[in-house]
Amino acid sequence: GAGVSQSPSNKVTEKGKDVELRCDPISGHTALYWYRQRLGQGLEFLIYFQGNSAPDKSGLPSDRFSAERTGESVSTLTIQRTQQEDSAVYLCASSPQDRGLETQYFGPGTRLLVL
Amino acid sequence: GEDVEQSLFLSVREGDSSVINCTYTDSSSTYLYWYKQEPGAGLQLLTYIFSNMDMKQDQRLTVLLNKKDKHLSLRIADTQTGDSAIYFCAEMPWGGYNKLIFGAGTRLAVHP
Repeated sequence: GAGVSQSPSNKVTEKGKDVELRCDPISGHTALYWYRQRLGQGLEFLIYFQGNSAPDKSGLPSDRFSAERTGESVSTLTIQRTQQEDSAVYLCASSPQDRGLETQYFGPGTRLLVL
Repeated sequence: GEDVEQSLFLSVREGDSSVINCTYTDSSSTYLYWYKQEPGAGLQLLTYIFSNMDMKQDQRLTVLLNKKDKHLSLRIADTQTGDSAIYFCAEMPWGGYNKLIFGAGTRLAVHP
């Protein structure tokens, strides 16, 4: 079956512009996560959605970052007024259960470069 | 605070065993994971271990957990060129069901 997909795979933008990244989770997965991976570093948690509950936004680095998810479907991560330090790979993962124990399935990521 | 550390690079000869090490700081971690990342691909879950276990074996993979020292290792037996990738250690803190804490990753290079 299809895995987690993300689009675009690569995005180059100019400083100050807004970008929108998309994640299509595995069908039926109730939990969805966004992570950021800077060059040479591990993944940083950004935000978590579980069903219709209020999202856990504790990892968002600033108010320029926001994310939405409608029900248990697609999620979009929006970065407003992009800065060069936003350059990173943005990874999305989904999980079939709210605990996500051993089952966070990752997409290939969107590589964002802010010039 | 929560922190996961790994060595950045490991080089091994094809056919040898690889051992990738990881240390973590959160003693309340419930699960510990190893993920593999190949170029251009997403993270692939390799294996995980519950914190009350000290060893888990899965084919060529052996995970050892020393909870006292907060040390986790991944041993790959008979390492092949297809094992070349970045390996991430991650922990799930108690109550942190909604996020994983990752190390920076260890790049494994397998040479003939």
